Amino acid sequence: GAGVSQSPSNKVTEKGKDVELRCDPISGHTALYWYRQRLGQGLEFLIYFQGNSAPDKSGLPSDRFSAERTGESVSTLTIQRTQQEDSAVYLCASSQRTSGRTDTQYFGPGTRLTVL
Amino acid sequence: AQSVTQLGSHVSVSEGALVLLRCNYSSSVPPYLFWYVQYPNQGLQLLLKYTSAATLVKGINGFEAEFKKSETSFHLTKPSAHMSDAAEYFCAVSDLTDKLIFGTGTRLQVFP
Repeated sequence: GAGVSQSPSNKVTEKGKDVELRCDPISGHTALYWYRQRLGQGLEFLIYFQGNSAPDKSGLPSDRFSAERTGESVSTLTIQRTQQEDSAVYLCASSQRTSGRTDTQYFGPGTRLTVL
Repeated sequence: AQSVTQLGSHVSVSEGALVLLRCNYSSSVPPYLFWYVQYPNQGLQLLLKYTSAATLVKGINGFEAEFKKSETSFHLTKPSAHMSDAAEYFCAVSDLTDKLIFGTGTRLQVFP
């Protein structure tokens, strides 16, 4: 696996349902980030993992959003009781975290979430 | 706090013309700046980054950007546009906790 992978690529759900989005980072990358891209807008930071701890959750928009990570591997972003404003592309990125602020983040192709 | 402003949500150029995409930043600490490109239905790909080693940064696909502290700018340029350059371009600054703060993006159209 050369790059970051995300699944599903597309998800259509009904308002009020829960959804889980998955991210597989590049092997060996200790840092993992979730971002959200709403139509016509830039990317908004959601949460950052270093290993399986989350030192920065400041971007999670409400308590309906949560995320976890297993070791330095897969991460799952869960949205409970989805609302129409949750419709967006959810992007995951990973980095080696060798120097911190200058590390390159490698992005996955995203999950397009549509809430009807 | 860190922030990025991209002037111009859409830029159109003719094939072979100069590409100039503008980015201004605000940062309370020495900034580290990035340009990413997003092709349709794909994730973001790093074009180049400024990490204080050199003010003129060369990236992939013939793009370059110059860090100008006095102007708080990091504009992206390419001398000659190609049809394949049509995409959305995002400027970003890294935060103290390493997350990226993105601008709202500039969509580049290239006409034959």
